[in-house]
Amino acid sequence: DTAVSQTPKYLVTQMGNDKSIKCEQNLGHDTMYWYKQDSKKFLKIMFSYNNKELIINETVPNRFSPKSPDKAHLNLHINSLELGDSAVYFCASSQNWETRYYGYTFGSGTRLTVV
Amino acid sequence: QKEVEQDPGPLSVPEGAIVSLNCTYSNSAFQYFMWYRQYSRKGPELLMYTYSSGNKEDGRFTAQVDKSSKYISLFIRDSQPSDSATYLCAMRGAGSYQLTFGKGTKLSVIP
Repeated sequence: DTAVSQTPKYLVTQMGNDKSIKCEQNLGHDTMYWYKQDSKKFLKIMFSYNNKELIINETVPNRFSPKSPDKAHLNLHINSLELGDSAVYFCASSQNWETRYYGYTFGSGTRLTVV
Repeated sequence: QKEVEQDPGPLSVPEGAIVSLNCTYSNSAFQYFMWYRQYSRKGPELLMYTYSSGNKEDGRFTAQVDKSSKYISLFIRDSQPSDSATYLCAMRGAGSYQLTFGKGTKLSVIP
């Protein structure tokens, strides 16, 4: 039973298209995140939601818009895709922001290729 | 200077060797330190977690944190081919949501 699941696993699309990536966690965690891992394998945070409320919004083009319909889901919509958006996007969750602990639980990633 | 520095490797060792992986950091506010293991085409999975300075052992893995030197290490004893993966250090400050990651070190354990 997957803890953090993302769909799709692979996404190949043309420049200029709009696409969405979905994420769901069944851990009962309060906080969810989107990370981007570039070709050099560097993981960088994009967004964080705590109980459906946006709490981190790093310097990300406004073509990227996260949406959290409830605390178990955090989706990422990307408008007008560009070649430089090609990367692996990871969803993650953590128990709550006050937890002094643990790290995150990550999904398996969505490999986005823009052609 | 990047907040977290980690040698990307690759690092190749024979099976049974002791592996030492390291990260340095510049932000003295970091208090929580983690090591993640990432297999190819998979998400990172939490391996070790340490709060503040000290050592923590879990089976073949030992994590060390030296806050005075801003240096953390992960030791793997009796390394196995199944340990072949990229190892990422990560850290955050108290009350912070955000994990800051190193770039990861790619490890290959040769049978």
